[in-house]
Amino acid sequence: QVQLVESGGGVVQPGRSLRLSCAASGFTFRSYGMHWVRQAPGKGLEWVAVIWYDGSKKYYADSVKDRFTISRDNSQNTLYLQMNSLRAEDTAVYYCARDTPYSGNYYLDYWGQGTLVTVSS
Amino acid sequence: AIWMTQSPSSFSASTGDRVTITCRASQGISSYLAWYQQKPGKAPKLLIYAASTLQSGVPSRFSGSGSGTDFNLTISCLQSEDFATYYCQQYYTYPRTFGQGTKVEIK
Repeated sequence: QVQLVESGGGVVQPGRSLRLSCAASGFTFRSYGMHWVRQAPGKGLEWVAVIWYDGSKKYYADSVKDRFTISRDNSQNTLYLQMNSLRAEDTAVYYCARDTPYSGNYYLDYWGQGTLVTVSS
Repeated sequence: AIWMTQSPSSFSASTGDRVTITCRASQGISSYLAWYQQKPGKAPKLLIYAASTLQSGVPSRFSGSGSGTDFNLTISCLQSEDFATYYCQQYYTYPRTFGQGTKVEIK
């Protein structure tokens, strides 16, 4: 069965960096676009970034552009989110989610359980 | 960016009720709309994509309709496990955007 397991969350000071990982199993990871979506405490869902199945395209939300970088290692079935210059408003549960095959252009059919990032001094 | 507006933001209903949640896009998105269900402390779950296509394994009491700018999610006979928050999301263009969510509570 499809499994997505996020890790790397924690408490970090403003201005510092953190890298999240998402380990995928149960499907052919290299064939699927992947996303990061976040949810601030008590708030709604906010899309963060997408990477195409082959890494050829990446898109970001304006709120994280130039600070966050999405990447993937298809040999390790792992998705990453490098987060730099973190701000208090980046505090959220971060979910990785799967798109459709050979794309990054559609809906999200499987989600991980999320990892909490808290930005605080 | 395309704004997605859901209504109502929350409401109370009883088991067995028929309920409808509305989602409006700030510009036309054809049928590139998905609906997700989220329960407290859990990840969102895909219910419907392409505005009206039921995801595999989702009960048939859930249905979606609409195209262009106006969409509906209907639950024909509310069950206890359906009390949750529901989100619409457009995938017509980037950045992807979600509605603010509709919380369905027990009356």
